[in-house]
Amino acid sequence: EAGVVQSPRYKIIEKKQPVAFWCNPISGHNTLYWYRQNLGQGPELLIRYENEEAVDDSQLPKDRFSAERLKGVDSTLKIQPAELGDSAVYLCASSFGVPANYGYTFGSGTRLTVV
Amino acid sequence: AQKVTQAQTEISVVEKEDVTLDCVYETRDTTYYLFWYKQPPSGELVFLIRRNSFDEQNEISGRYSWNFQKSTSSFNFTITASQVVDSAVYFCALSEATGGSYIPTFGRGTSLIVHP
Repeated sequence: EAGVVQSPRYKIIEKKQPVAFWCNPISGHNTLYWYRQNLGQGPELLIRYENEEAVDDSQLPKDRFSAERLKGVDSTLKIQPAELGDSAVYLCASSFGVPANYGYTFGSGTRLTVV
Repeated sequence: AQKVTQAQTEISVVEKEDVTLDCVYETRDTTYYLFWYKQPPSGELVFLIRRNSFDEQNEISGRYSWNFQKSTSSFNFTITASQVVDSAVYFCALSEATGGSYIPTFGRGTSLIVHP
Protein backbone atom coordinates (compact mmCIF):
# COMPACT_ATOMS: atom_id res chain seq x y z
CA GLU A 1 0.00 0.00 0.00
CA ALA A 2 1.36 3.40 -0.94
CA GLY A 3 1.90 5.85 1.87
CA VAL A 4 1.00 9.51 1.92
CA VAL A 5 2.39 11.01 -1.27
CA GLN A 6 3.45 14.62 -1.50
CA SER A 7 4.82 16.64 -4.36
CA PRO A 8 6.97 18.39 -5.17
CA ARG A 9 9.72 17.20 -2.87
CA TYR A 10 11.57 20.52 -3.06
CA LYS A 11 10.57 23.95 -4.26
CA ILE A 12 12.56 27.15 -4.53
CA ILE A 13 10.71 30.34 -5.43
CA GLU A 14 11.25 34.05 -5.25
CA LYS A 15 9.27 36.02 -2.72
CA LYS A 16 5.90 37.27 -3.87
CA GLN A 17 5.50 34.31 -6.21
CA PRO A 18 2.70 31.77 -5.73
CA VAL A 19 3.36 28.13 -4.87
CA ALA A 20 1.22 25.05 -4.47
CA PHE A 21 1.77 21.73 -2.74
CA TRP A 22 -0.12 18.54 -3.42
CA CYS A 23 -0.96 15.64 -1.14
CA ASN A 24 -2.48 12.25 -1.85
CA PRO A 25 -3.44 10.54 1.41
CA ILE A 26 -3.67 6.83 2.07
CA SER A 27 -6.71 5.35 0.39
CA GLY A 28 -9.67 5.32 2.76
CA HIS A 29 -8.23 7.82 5.21
CA ASN A 30 -10.94 10.37 5.85
CA THR A 31 -8.88 12.86 7.83
CA LEU A 32 -6.12 14.89 6.26
CA TYR A 33 -3.73 17.28 7.97
CA TRP A 34 -1.34 19.93 6.73
CA TYR A 35 1.53 20.77 9.04
CA ARG A 36 4.31 23.31 8.74
CA GLN A 37 7.70 22.52 10.22
CA ASN A 38 10.11 25.40 10.64
CA LEU A 39 13.82 24.65 10.89
CA GLY A 40 14.67 23.18 14.28
CA GLN A 41 11.04 23.01 15.37
CA GLY A 42 8.32 20.41 15.60
CA PRO A 43 5.48 20.31 13.08
CA GLU A 44 2.61 22.72 13.70
CA LEU A 45 -0.89 22.17 12.41
CA LEU A 46 -2.14 24.47 9.67
CA ILE A 47 -5.42 22.84 8.74
CA ARG A 48 -7.35 19.61 9.24
CA TYR A 49 -9.94 18.13 6.92
CA GLU A 50 -12.64 15.63 7.73
CA ASN A 51 -13.48 14.32 4.27
CA GLU A 52 -13.85 17.50 2.19
CA GLU A 53 -14.69 19.80 5.10
CA ALA A 54 -12.06 21.97 6.76
CA VAL A 55 -12.87 21.49 10.45
CA ASP A 56 -9.84 23.17 12.02
CA ASP A 57 -8.10 25.98 10.16
CA SER A 58 -7.50 28.40 13.02
CA GLN A 59 -3.71 28.30 12.47
CA LEU A 60 -3.87 28.88 8.72
CA PRO A 61 -2.76 32.42 7.73
CA LYS A 62 -5.78 33.07 5.59
CA ASP A 63 -4.49 36.26 4.02
CA ARG A 64 -2.04 34.31 1.91
CA PHE A 65 -2.67 30.62 2.50
CA SER A 66 -5.51 28.57 1.09
CA ALA A 67 -6.27 24.89 0.94
CA GLU A 68 -8.79 22.62 -0.64
CA ARG A 69 -9.68 18.98 -0.58
CA LEU A 70 -11.99 18.30 -3.44
CA LYS A 71 -13.97 15.06 -3.28
CA GLY A 72 -12.43 14.33 0.09
CA VAL A 73 -9.31 12.72 -1.32
CA ASP A 74 -6.36 14.73 -2.65
CA SER A 75 -5.55 18.09 -1.16
CA THR A 76 -3.73 21.19 -2.32
CA LEU A 77 -2.14 23.84 -0.12
CA LYS A 78 -1.40 27.18 -1.78
CA ILE A 79 0.57 30.23 -0.74
CA GLN A 80 0.09 33.48 -2.62
CA PRO A 81 2.18 35.54 -2.40
CA ALA A 82 5.01 33.74 -0.66
CA GLU A 83 7.15 35.55 1.89
CA LEU A 84 10.66 34.80 3.12
CA GLY A 85 9.25 33.55 6.42
CA ASP A 86 7.27 30.85 4.64
CA SER A 87 10.44 28.84 4.09
CA ALA A 88 9.77 25.55 5.87
CA VAL A 89 8.86 21.93 5.31
CA TYR A 90 5.17 21.39 4.63
CA LEU A 91 4.01 17.99 5.80
CA CYS A 92 0.81 16.22 4.94
CA ALA A 93 -0.61 13.45 7.10
CA SER A 94 -3.71 11.30 7.01
CA SER A 95 -5.61 9.13 9.44
CA PHE A 96 -8.65 6.87 9.63
CA GLY A 97 -11.42 6.66 12.19
CA VAL A 98 -10.27 7.64 15.64
CA PRO A 99 -6.72 8.54 14.65
CA ALA A 100 -5.21 8.06 18.04
CA ASN A 101 -6.22 4.41 17.81
CA TYR A 102 -5.06 3.81 14.28
CA GLY A 103 -2.25 6.32 14.07
CA TYR A 104 -1.26 9.05 11.70
CA THR A 105 0.79 8.55 8.57
CA PHE A 106 2.98 11.36 7.33
CA GLY A 107 4.30 12.07 3.88
CA SER A 108 7.91 13.01 3.18
CA GLY A 109 7.04 16.67 2.98
CA THR A 110 7.76 19.52 0.61
CA ARG A 111 10.75 21.64 1.49
CA LEU A 112 10.00 25.23 0.45
CA THR A 113 12.72 27.82 0.15
CA VAL A 114 11.67 31.39 -0.53
CA VAL A 115 14.49 33.63 -1.74
CA ALA B 1 2.51 27.05 27.48
CA GLN B 2 4.10 24.15 25.71
CA LYS B 3 1.99 21.05 25.86
CA VAL B 4 4.92 18.84 24.98
CA THR B 5 8.38 19.69 26.25
CA GLN B 6 11.51 18.07 24.98
CA ALA B 7 14.14 19.84 26.99
CA GLN B 8 17.10 18.25 25.24
CA THR B 9 17.76 20.08 21.99
CA GLU B 10 20.67 17.93 20.94
CA ILE B 11 22.34 14.83 22.33
CA SER B 12 25.65 13.48 21.10
CA VAL B 13 26.79 9.96 21.99
CA VAL B 14 29.30 7.42 20.84
CA GLU B 15 28.07 4.22 19.26
CA LYS B 16 27.01 1.50 21.73
CA GLU B 17 26.18 4.00 24.44
CA ASP B 18 22.67 4.00 25.89
CA VAL B 19 20.73 7.23 25.53
CA THR B 20 17.43 8.49 26.96
CA LEU B 21 15.32 11.16 25.31
CA ASP B 22 13.03 13.01 27.67
CA CYS B 23 9.44 14.05 27.04
CA VAL B 24 7.19 15.88 29.47
CA TYR B 25 3.60 16.65 28.53
CA GLU B 26 0.76 18.74 29.87
CA THR B 27 -2.94 17.99 29.55
CA ARG B 28 -6.18 18.20 31.48
CA ASP B 29 -7.77 15.37 29.56
CA THR B 30 -8.07 11.98 31.18
CA THR B 31 -8.00 10.34 27.77
CA TYR B 32 -5.01 11.11 25.63
CA TYR B 33 -2.38 9.47 23.51
CA LEU B 34 1.36 9.88 23.36
CA PHE B 35 3.57 9.19 20.39
CA TRP B 36 7.20 9.11 19.42
CA TYR B 37 8.28 9.77 15.86
CA LYS B 38 11.69 9.58 14.24
CA GLN B 39 12.67 12.06 11.53
CA PRO B 40 15.81 11.00 9.66
CA PRO B 41 17.65 13.43 7.38
CA SER B 42 15.37 12.43 4.50
CA GLY B 43 12.58 14.30 6.26
CA GLU B 44 9.69 11.89 6.68
CA LEU B 45 8.21 11.30 10.11
CA VAL B 46 8.45 7.64 11.01
CA PHE B 47 6.04 6.32 13.63
CA LEU B 48 7.72 4.53 16.53
CA ILE B 49 5.14 4.04 19.25
CA ARG B 50 1.70 5.05 20.51
CA ARG B 51 0.54 4.86 24.10
CA ASN B 52 -2.87 5.69 25.54
CA SER B 53 -3.35 7.28 28.93
CA PHE B 54 -4.85 4.15 30.45
CA ASP B 55 -1.88 1.95 29.69
CA GLU B 56 1.16 2.73 31.79
CA GLN B 57 2.98 -0.45 30.96
CA ASN B 58 6.46 0.16 29.74
CA GLU B 59 7.28 -1.22 26.34
CA ILE B 60 10.37 -2.68 24.79
CA SER B 61 10.94 -3.18 21.10
CA GLY B 62 14.41 -4.43 20.29
CA ARG B 63 16.85 -1.74 21.35
CA TYR B 64 14.05 0.75 21.97
CA SER B 65 12.15 1.09 25.22
CA TRP B 66 9.63 3.58 26.53
CA ASN B 67 8.86 4.58 30.11
CA PHE B 68 5.43 6.16 30.64
CA GLN B 69 4.82 7.70 34.06
CA LYS B 70 1.56 9.58 34.56
CA SER B 71 2.66 10.72 38.01
CA THR B 72 5.37 12.85 36.43
CA SER B 73 3.64 13.39 33.06
CA SER B 74 6.60 11.89 31.29
CA PHE B 75 7.04 9.55 28.38
CA ASN B 76 10.75 8.94 27.99
CA PHE B 77 12.43 7.00 25.23
CA THR B 78 15.61 4.97 25.67
CA ILE B 79 17.82 3.57 22.95
CA THR B 80 20.11 0.82 24.17
CA ALA B 81 23.45 0.25 22.46
CA SER B 82 22.95 3.15 20.07
CA GLN B 83 24.00 2.85 16.44
CA VAL B 84 24.94 5.41 13.82
CA VAL B 85 21.65 4.71 12.03
CA ASP B 86 19.81 6.00 15.08
CA SER B 87 21.01 9.51 14.25
CA ALA B 88 17.87 11.55 13.61
CA VAL B 89 15.54 14.05 15.19
CA TYR B 90 13.05 12.43 17.55
CA PHE B 91 9.68 14.00 18.28
CA CYS B 92 7.31 13.33 21.12
CA ALA B 93 3.66 14.18 20.45
CA LEU B 94 0.47 14.43 22.48
CA SER B 95 -2.98 13.74 21.08
CA GLU B 96 -5.83 14.91 23.27
CA ALA B 97 -9.41 13.72 23.15
CA THR B 98 -10.82 17.23 23.60
CA GLY B 99 -13.60 17.77 21.11
CA GLY B 100 -12.84 14.42 19.58
CA SER B 101 -10.22 15.92 17.31
CA TYR B 102 -7.16 14.07 18.58
CA ILE B 103 -4.91 16.48 16.73
CA PRO B 104 -1.31 15.64 17.60
CA THR B 105 0.78 18.42 19.13
CA PHE B 106 4.51 17.95 18.74
CA GLY B 107 7.43 18.90 20.90
CA ARG B 108 10.39 20.74 19.39
CA GLY B 109 12.32 17.56 18.92
CA THR B 110 15.64 16.20 20.14
CA SER B 111 18.44 15.81 17.65
CA LEU B 112 20.39 12.63 18.37
CA ILE B 113 23.86 12.31 16.89
CA VAL B 114 25.53 8.94 17.23
CA HIS B 115 29.23 8.98 16.43
CA PRO B 116 31.02 5.84 15.22
